[in-house]
Amino acid sequence: DAGITQSPRHKVTETGTPVTLRCHQTENHRYMYWYRQDPGHGLRLIHYSYGVKDTDKGEVSDGYSVSRSKTEDFLLTLESATSSQTSVYFCAISENRNTEAFFGQGTRLTVV
Amino acid sequence: EDKVVQSPLSLVVHEGDTVTLNCSYEVTNFRSLLWYKQEKKAPTFLFMLTSSGIEKKSGRLSSILDKKELFSILNITATQTGDSAVYLCAHPGEYGNKLVFGAGTILRVKS
Repeated sequence: DAGITQSPRHKVTETGTPVTLRCHQTENHRYMYWYRQDPGHGLRLIHYSYGVKDTDKGEVSDGYSVSRSKTEDFLLTLESATSSQTSVYFCAISENRNTEAFFGQGTRLTVV
Repeated sequence: EDKVVQSPLSLVVHEGDTVTLNCSYEVTNFRSLLWYKQEKKAPTFLFMLTSSGIEKKSGRLSSILDKKELFSILNITATQTGDSAVYLCAHPGEYGNKLVFGAGTILRVKS
């Protein structure tokens, strides 16, 4: 299995609070991604990174920010959590562009 | 616009049946088409297809790409209950820098 660790694995938080999810990889892959998965929508890209301090938005980036200060870590922050951000969040990594991506085990986030 | 459409959305079969899952796509600059299997947790990589007409095979699973008609199929022969999962199709977008996924096909294999 690719060395990807997401933390926390489960979190319940209140509306309006900030939340940070962490993705840590041991593969030294260049690309890292954050997806959310909701019933009927499949996997939707939130943000991705193509190197340290290099990030870009995906299709559902509103309400989320990311940071990548080291190759191995990619953080996803919900500045002020809303109930619509209740979802399962997956981190993924790929060695380069146009190569297969490998996924972490996911974080189930519930905003109440 | 980058797009991936999978069909059917869900499917129930009996053990031993053969199934065919479909994936059609739209992308400005085609690079590849990928298939993943998702059971209860993370999607796991199955195949990456780049050339038309060349079948990729792994055990009872196989996949083929038609770049002219912009679709791919995933075949599973002699299905088993362990094949029950969501099967996802994706392409890496116009610039190859992000995977765009379809909504997936939910496959349930009954014993």
